[in-house]
Amino acid sequence: EAGVTQFPSHSVIEKGQTVTLRCDPISGHDNLYWYRRVMGKEIKFLLHFVKESKQDESGMPNNRFLAERTGGTYSTLKVQPAELEDSGVYFCASSLGTSGLGEQYFGPGTRLTVT
Amino acid sequence: AQSVTQLDSQVPVFEEAPVELRCNYSSSVSVYLFWYVQYPNQGLQLLLKYLSGSTLVKGINGFEAEFNKSQTSFHLRKPSVHISDTAEYFCAVSDLSGGSYIPTFGRGTSLIVHP
Repeated sequence: EAGVTQFPSHSVIEKGQTVTLRCDPISGHDNLYWYRRVMGKEIKFLLHFVKESKQDESGMPNNRFLAERTGGTYSTLKVQPAELEDSGVYFCASSLGTSGLGEQYFGPGTRLTVT
Repeated sequence: AQSVTQLDSQVPVFEEAPVELRCNYSSSVSVYLFWYVQYPNQGLQLLLKYLSGSTLVKGINGFEAEFNKSQTSFHLRKPSVHISDTAEYFCAVSDLSGGSYIPTFGRGTSLIVHP
């Protein structure tokens, strides 16, 4: 069974540009989560989808970030326009259970560098 | 609000030596506790979790952790480490505050096993 995949693995963009990160969860997992880790700091929650609906987006830093999950399958996270402080590793995770205690399976992350 | 403190950012140890990675948390309600491991270029993988019951939890790869409610700690231990245990380890806590079990992560501890 394929795990959670993320694309691209690395992205280097200039301040002001747009970047779109993609996450493909494990097939059949209704729950999809986005997290971000700024270098040396905690992994911070960004948002949670249940199928195509946003269940919790309390962690989204500002309106430059837009997440979508059309059709309840893969998800994209767009940053527009990117700022220097957006640099970090963006993780996606998926889970089967609806309680949130279902084990989350993480992707390898996308390392975003904004210069 | 809950928080997690991982007291050591880096722990160097020789192969076959025992290791303890420390984790303290703060929360005003009952919590669930997790340890994740991230090997180089991979996603986070669940090592073990405490939901209820016995305070000594055994996980994969010979790791175990003990929940100490009075000390609000959940330290991770392994009696004899291998080179392959070199990775970053994250402690996480979740509760029902806000209506979901979204975990709060610590900053991570980098375990470096030397031959």
